[in-house]
Amino acid sequence: DGGITQSPKYLFRKEGQNVTLSCEQNLNHDAMYWYRQDPGQGLRLIYYSQIVNDFQKGDIAEGYSVSREKKESFPLTVTSAQKNPTAFYLCASSYLRGLANTGELFFGEGSRLTVL
Amino acid sequence: SQQGEEDPQALSIQEGENATMNCSYKTSINNLQWYRQNSGRGLVHLILIRSNEREKHSGRLRVTLDTSKKSSSLLITASRAADTASYFCEKGGSEKLVFGKGTKLTVNP
Repeated sequence: DGGITQSPKYLFRKEGQNVTLSCEQNLNHDAMYWYRQDPGQGLRLIYYSQIVNDFQKGDIAEGYSVSREKKESFPLTVTSAQKNPTAFYLCASSYLRGLANTGELFFGEGSRLTVL
Repeated sequence: SQQGEEDPQALSIQEGENATMNCSYKTSINNLQWYRQNSGRGLVHLILIRSNEREKHSGRLRVTLDTSKKSSSLLITASRAADTASYFCEKGGSEKLVFGKGTKLTVNP
């Protein structure tokens, strides 16, 4: 079945450690996105990518890094520079928006990161 | 920024009642999409309305769009306890897709 998979679902990190969250899709989507969600809050965009080997900063990119070496994969690294990393992270993908595509987003089930 | 806001932020109703939530935006859009999020899960697409449409239906969902007021409404009719979730709108950007804070709907049995 086609879909978007995030792993791990739960992750604990000690302060000062980098962690990488995985996001894989087999929907043949060009665009991929990372969002952060804090309790009771909306989604804030961290990074997005519309094509392999290219990505753009979102609204809260500081302390995060990404790569897009393959169309199917868009891992997010939460670095030690991120001062408040405890949050729920959501990955999404879509076709590029244009006349032929509305760009409906497909989301993974999320990764919950807790810093101890 | 194209970010709009959903309101109300929270809504509590009884089963069988209708629920209405609104979404406003600032700049012109090509389309607007509504999503639902169950607690601790990813978002799921509900319905899309294009800028040249005024109303759209999908089952118990009814979406309206008023481009002159830069606003959209999502109506859930005959609500069920299973409709309890947060609802978000996304305002048809071409690249940088942003969401508001959503409306948290609680349907009491």
